[in-house]
Amino acid sequence: DAGITQSPRHKVTETGTPVTLRCHQTENHRYMYWYRQDPGHGLRLIHYSYGVKDTDKGEVSDGYSVSRSKTEDFLLTLESATSSQTSVYFCAISESRQLNTIYFGEGSWLTVV
Amino acid sequence: DQQVKQNSPSLSVQEGRISILNCDYTNSMFDYFLWYKKYPAEGPTFLISISSIKDKNEDGRFTVFLNKSAKHLSLHIVPSQPGDSAVYFCAASANDYKLSFGAGTTVTVRA
Repeated sequence: DAGITQSPRHKVTETGTPVTLRCHQTENHRYMYWYRQDPGHGLRLIHYSYGVKDTDKGEVSDGYSVSRSKTEDFLLTLESATSSQTSVYFCAISESRQLNTIYFGEGSWLTVV
Repeated sequence: DQQVKQNSPSLSVQEGRISILNCDYTNSMFDYFLWYKKYPAEGPTFLISISSIKDKNEDGRFTVFLNKSAKHLSLHIVPSQPGDSAVYFCAASANDYKLSFGAGTTVTVRA
């Protein structure tokens, strides 16, 4: 299994509070991604990174920010959580742009009440 | 607007029979397609892929077929086994490293 650790794995938070999800990898892969999974939508890309301090937006980036100060860590921040951000969040990593080499973490369940 | 669609949310199949999962896409720029398998409380895992220059790719019990003119692909699992019970996601990419996913199909293999 690829060395990906997501934390926290489960979190309940209140509307309006900031939340940070962490993705840590031990594979030294260049590319890292954050997806969210919702019923009826599959997985949707929030943000991705193609190197340290190099990030870009995905298709559902509103309300989210990311940071990557080290190769191994990719942080996803909800500045002011809303109920629509209740979801399962998956981090993924890949060594190259070969899409069949993308590995996903086990997910972080976030509930915003 | 979802560019990758899996119109069957669920599929039930008897053990030993064929499972056929379907996927349609709308973006003609997609040139690489993948299938992922996901168990509950786990992340998706890569299953099989196909490039747009091919119309078939086979790996063991899994075969993916691509019909570019119809913008349709399918995944065949033969024979189906109890361990195949999972959610299957179709995904596509347009010559970059971003994936667009379908909503998933839940497969249940009956003994």
